[in-house]
Amino acid sequence: DGGITQSPKYLFRKEGQNVTLSCEQNLNHDAMYWYRQDPGQGLRLIYYSQIVNDFQKGDIAEGYSVSREKKESFPLTVTSAQKNPTAFYLCASSPDYASGVLNEQFFGPGTRLTVL
Amino acid sequence: SQQGEEDPQALSIQEGENATMNCSYKTSINNLQWYRQNSGRGLVHLILIRSNEREKHSGRLRVTLDTSKKSSSLLITASRAADTASYFCATFKAGAGSYQLTFGKGTKLSVIP
Repeated sequence: DGGITQSPKYLFRKEGQNVTLSCEQNLNHDAMYWYRQDPGQGLRLIYYSQIVNDFQKGDIAEGYSVSREKKESFPLTVTSAQKNPTAFYLCASSPDYASGVLNEQFFGPGTRLTVL
Repeated sequence: SQQGEEDPQALSIQEGENATMNCSYKTSINNLQWYRQNSGRGLVHLILIRSNEREKHSGRLRVTLDTSKKSSSLLITASRAADTASYFCATFKAGAGSYQLTFGKGTKLSVIP
């Protein structure tokens, strides 16, 4: 069963705590992405990775950090520096960085983070 | 800033009717993609249209692109209750090594059985 998995589906954290969202893919894709979605809004790019051990900031990287130690995994940490972390977080992948815009991106089911 | 803006924000139709959603964008693009999102789920790619194409079909979907008006439309024919979802356009413009999609805010479609 190939695809992208994100866990957990729902996450609750207290204000000031760091939290890490998991994203795993078994599609053998080189490129992976993290997006944030707020109610009634489109997706905004947080970070992306073109290949293992490489990642770049997207449009709204402040308050977030990522790592890409394995091809299959691209975890996102929401730090206490993120002023408004409550949102729906989506992970995506594509065979390579260019194909993500020239063909399509494949999305995981998302994690809904609520900071209390 | 958001490149694509969908219109209308919400659309409610009866099953069997056609649904048309529009996407307008501000600058020239290389291609435009349409995605579907069921409530609380991830996005699913529907169709991509390149800047040198005017119309594409995929099953019950028809996408048009008018680069002179900087707009695209997504038509779903003979809608079904299962088409109820939000639909997003995403644009790509090449430049400075950037390969990012810019998403619109989406159109929420409700198909009433």
